Amino acid sequence: AQKVTQAQTEISVVEKEDVTLDCVYETRDTTYYLFWYKQPPSGELVFLIRRNSFDEQNEISGRYSWNFQKSTSSFNFTITASQVVDSAVYFCALSGVNTGNQFYFGTGTSLTVIP
Amino acid sequence: KAGVTQTPRYLIKTRGQQVTLSCSPISGHRSVSWYQQTPGQGLQFLFEYFSETQRNKGNFPGRFSGRQFSNSRSEMNVSTLELGDSALYLCASSPEGGSDTQYFGPGTRLTVL
Repeated sequence: AQKVTQAQTEISVVEKEDVTLDCVYETRDTTYYLFWYKQPPSGELVFLIRRNSFDEQNEISGRYSWNFQKSTSSFNFTITASQVVDSAVYFCALSGVNTGNQFYFGTGTSLTVIP
Repeated sequence: KAGVTQTPRYLIKTRGQQVTLSCSPISGHRSVSWYQQTPGQGLQFLFEYFSETQRNKGNFPGRFSGRQFSNSRSEMNVSTLELGDSALYLCASSPEGGSDTQYFGPGTRLTVL
């Protein structure tokens, strides 16, 4: 079965603090893809990153970085020097090649950055 | 390229009515997926269409249906609306579906009274 767990329901940080959003997944697929999306108050999900199961290299994009560890089935997302515009709900998602390629989303983490 | 567009953005219906939502994918994308988002259940997959065929279906009753046209535009229909159908309905498109990155539209906020 495919499952994504985002244990942190809500997080509040003060502007300029670093924050890490956790994502733990379960899958029996050997080939799978992991995603992060941001959902601002407007409602539209904005794509942030896609990683495949064979690429465990960490990735950095500006203030965003992602840590993928297959050994712990985790794909965590860190925002460095948070800003008010980072306030949103963040979703982690999983898609497996052998399970119909359907996207499975976590329940989301609501991040509030306080000025 | 223009993003995914969904119409209407807001809709108010009463129980028992039916509703049709529309989604226009990014140009060149052939796969369209639909999701229901509610505070209680989160984001749930409804179905995926590719080349006018339903390729994948989530665990929703038959009252939820969809279709895709030759230009990849998609519609979803909900018949005999129930209060629990109140939700944000999101459409996403991708080039070929599968594990391709899905790009989401702004959603249609449906309220059932």
